[in-house]
Amino acid sequence: DIQMTQSPSSLSAFVGDRVTITCRASQNISNSLNWYQQKPGKAPKFLIHATSILQSGVPSRFSGSGSGTDFTLTISSLQPEDFATYYCQQSYSVFTFGPGTKVGIK
Amino acid sequence: QVQLQESGPGLVKPSETLSLTCNVSGAPIRSYYWSWIRQPPGKGLEWIGNVYSSGSSNYNPSLKSRVTMSVDTSKKQVSLNLSSVTAADTAVYYCARVLGFGVVVYFDSWGQGTPVIVSS
Repeated sequence: DIQMTQSPSSLSAFVGDRVTITCRASQNISNSLNWYQQKPGKAPKFLIHATSILQSGVPSRFSGSGSGTDFTLTISSLQPEDFATYYCQQSYSVFTFGPGTKVGIK
Repeated sequence: QVQLQESGPGLVKPSETLSLTCNVSGAPIRSYYWSWIRQPPGKGLEWIGNVYSSGSSNYNPSLKSRVTMSVDTSKKQVSLNLSSVTAADTAVYYCARVLGFGVVVYFDSWGQGTPVIVSS
């Protein structure tokens, strides 16, 4: 299986901060990388597919980039509703998720 | 807008079979692959498998020997059976719609999830 790692595992930030989360695959996955947001007690919400394509309705402050093995999710100006855990997911092989990055309030 | 609602027994005994259903509305059940994904308490997400209305399916190799998924188009339901459960199968179980093509495959709509505890 392709292993996914994320860094950091957690972070604290202020409203308005620029936040970057990194996701790394154990082998080349081309652009087959997706991102989800999960709030406590809720189902994950789909944000981005194919590395950088925003789901309809997702605010433009979210963006994704990368290719091969290294990918990033960036929130350009953190908003109160963005405090959540973020997961990456690869679909190049047997689908696997990263362990998550928890974004908390500073 | 697609809506997914999981249901099933919240408590299953060890060695028994976990059976869950997902009611699908707002989207033609025949037109998509559907997936089950689980999340153990305080942990990350694990893909269990995908199933199509034709019966075509693919499962996570780590669970393949214990998993069966199916689609009942008349009832608009997707089902999951997981046999020989242990405490390690305790999790919130989500159903999700699968979109994408080629190697770009993602889960765009999710149910609220149903918690399952495996305990005697």
